[in-house]
Amino acid sequence: DADVTQTPRNRITKTGKRIMLECSQTKGHDRMYWYRQDPGLGLRLIYYSFDVKDINKGEISDGYSVSRQAQAKFSLSLESAIPNQTALYFCATSDRTGYDEQFFGPGTRLTVL
Amino acid sequence: AQSVTQPDIHITVSEGASLELRCNYSYGATPYLFWYVQSPGQGLQLLLKYFSGDTLVQGIKGFEAEFKRSQSSFNLRKPSVHWSDAAEYFCAVGVRTTSGTYKYIFGTGTRLKVLA
Repeated sequence: DADVTQTPRNRITKTGKRIMLECSQTKGHDRMYWYRQDPGLGLRLIYYSFDVKDINKGEISDGYSVSRQAQAKFSLSLESAIPNQTALYFCATSDRTGYDEQFFGPGTRLTVL
Repeated sequence: AQSVTQPDIHITVSEGASLELRCNYSYGATPYLFWYVQSPGQGLQLLLKYFSGDTLVQGIKGFEAEFKRSQSSFNLRKPSVHWSDAAEYFCAVGVRTTSGTYKYIFGTGTRLKVLA
């Protein structure tokens, strides 16, 4: 079974809808991250969480919110989706050191019409 | 500001040929450097990482990378490319945050095409 799972894997929605992307991990890591990938722009950090009570904004947090429900679960929400949020979204985890390897989920492809 | 530059958006090589993917970073402190590979439809997989010590690091799938502090570079190499290496490759640097923890900054990626 995959260590980092994301649901859904694909989602098509309409402008203005609320969307939640979910991430679960079985690696026992404290740290979790949400990235967005756009062609030609690489991965950009949206939010990151170093434990359940610690949530931090990344470089492109506007229009997004997150919830760390438990050590193993980290959700990303788009309160009112817009077309330029169409992208591939990745969740990742890392251990307590933070500078060690990040383990990535398979990604969620989101399309906002 | 911290940044990672991958100057080659696309690279095409023939199977069996050697490969070098370039990565330059801008970071004032000692960098933690990574190369990840993303196969089509997949998440990112770590190829190799550099924290300290020997500046030539070996990774999985026959890849290696060399850290050159004087050039602020961490180029990825493979002596003989296989068709299965066709993928997108990302360089990343771990940077220290104001809270003392670390986060990654990724380059924009290099897409590798392998000709049979």
